[in-house]
Amino acid sequence: LAKTTQPISMDSYEGQEVNITCSHNNIATNDYITWYQQFPSQGPRFIIQGYKTKVTNEVASLFIPADRKSSTLSLPRVSLSDTAVYYCLVGDKAAGNKLTFGGGTRVLVKP
Amino acid sequence: NAGVTQTPKFRILKIGQSMTLQCAQDMNHNYMYWYRQDPGMGLKLIYYSVGAGITDKGEVPNGYNVSRSTTEDFPLRLELAAPSQTSVYFCASSYGDRDTEAFFGQGTRLTVV
Repeated sequence: LAKTTQPISMDSYEGQEVNITCSHNNIATNDYITWYQQFPSQGPRFIIQGYKTKVTNEVASLFIPADRKSSTLSLPRVSLSDTAVYYCLVGDKAAGNKLTFGGGTRVLVKP
Repeated sequence: NAGVTQTPKFRILKIGQSMTLQCAQDMNHNYMYWYRQDPGMGLKLIYYSVGAGITDKGEVPNGYNVSRSTTEDFPLRLELAAPSQTSVYFCASSYGDRDTEAFFGQGTRLTVV
């Protein structure tokens, strides 16, 4: 399974865009990149998933460069309720879909 | 659909006691997972299952056992509870195809005293 590296924490202010970059230098050809969000005292929640280029949904955008060795989760115009831990996962069905989580990035949105 | 349901939500165990954490999903998912999360830390995979009758160890399986007799249920058994097992336990499930979207339960907060 590809190992991922994320910043431990980030601070932001309401209305700003937050970008969290995840490094996965040994990503395999069949691996997808998935991001989860976790609020205190809750289980993680799926945000977005991608394989290459750019993916956008109602919550976030995911940017993946051509070499796929990193990815960036972009949260537009954050609010206080976006304060959470964000996890980057890299995996593939062939690897047994173990869904291995790293330490995540703790994002604090300030007023 | 209820999604992933975990019971109980809270439990206090004495050292040496045993208990089973229940997890059920109604989405007909093949893959199910058990994680533990210590305060301020990420999730550690305990055990996972790719289908009924098939289970495998994750990163931290010692002190736990699982079974998967049906697609819906994936109970986690703690034998001889120890203070180091004080944690929040999350169960999750997914289809297990190329996408890795998993759905998580609300967690069981376990304290061993």
